[in-house]
Amino acid sequence: AAGVIQSPRHLIKEKRETATLKCYPIPRHDTVYWYQQGPGQDPQFLISFYEKMQSDKGSIPDRFSAQQFSDYHSELNMSSLELGDSALYFCASSFSSSSYEQYFGPGTRLTVT
Amino acid sequence: QKEVEQDPGPLSVPEGAIVSLNCTYSNSAFQYFMWYRQYSRKGPELLMYTYSSGNKEDGRFTAQVDKSSKYISLFIRDSQPSDSATYLCAMSVQGSARQLTFGSGTQLTVLP
Repeated sequence: AAGVIQSPRHLIKEKRETATLKCYPIPRHDTVYWYQQGPGQDPQFLISFYEKMQSDKGSIPDRFSAQQFSDYHSELNMSSLELGDSALYFCASSFSSSSYEQYFGPGTRLTVT
Repeated sequence: QKEVEQDPGPLSVPEGAIVSLNCTYSNSAFQYFMWYRQYSRKGPELLMYTYSSGNKEDGRFTAQVDKSSKYISLFIRDSQPSDSATYLCAMSVQGSARQLTFGSGTQLTVLP
């Protein structure tokens, strides 16, 4: 079965640089969620989109922005990167805004040096 | 204090043992309860999903929710070495906000 696709899988950036993470949801899933998982931490919700509109916002820094496109893929844009942004970034998707079953991608490991 | 507390372990059991994983929570608005399994360097994999109180069984896995005690459990019967992973509980409130609040995860090792 098709799963959530994330790219790139690994990314190394320097402080103050920008990064763009991409997420392709499971086919027919219309809702996308972004989570950040620091080393030894549980995933923390950042932001979600339903039908290309932002539906919920968590602990996402102002330096980060995200959007969902017409084909339902989503991009997380991160600017002025800090060392503390080094983490695993997961994208999850679900079918319809009423579904609580979120399916996670393999994650993008971001390292900021 | 975190909204969701989970014993981090690590937990080590022999193959075939019954494993009990638990989470407690403080937010009485949580209505949806999930268990995820996460292998090293992989994304969380949805195992079980329950709504409100009660039990749900799926093969060797049983999820229990006791809302009166704000306590949820995952039981794994006849545990296998392939069950070795980190298990995360996750919860969500009812309504438009579907963000998941996770526990810190319990690292399980099943010894052959």
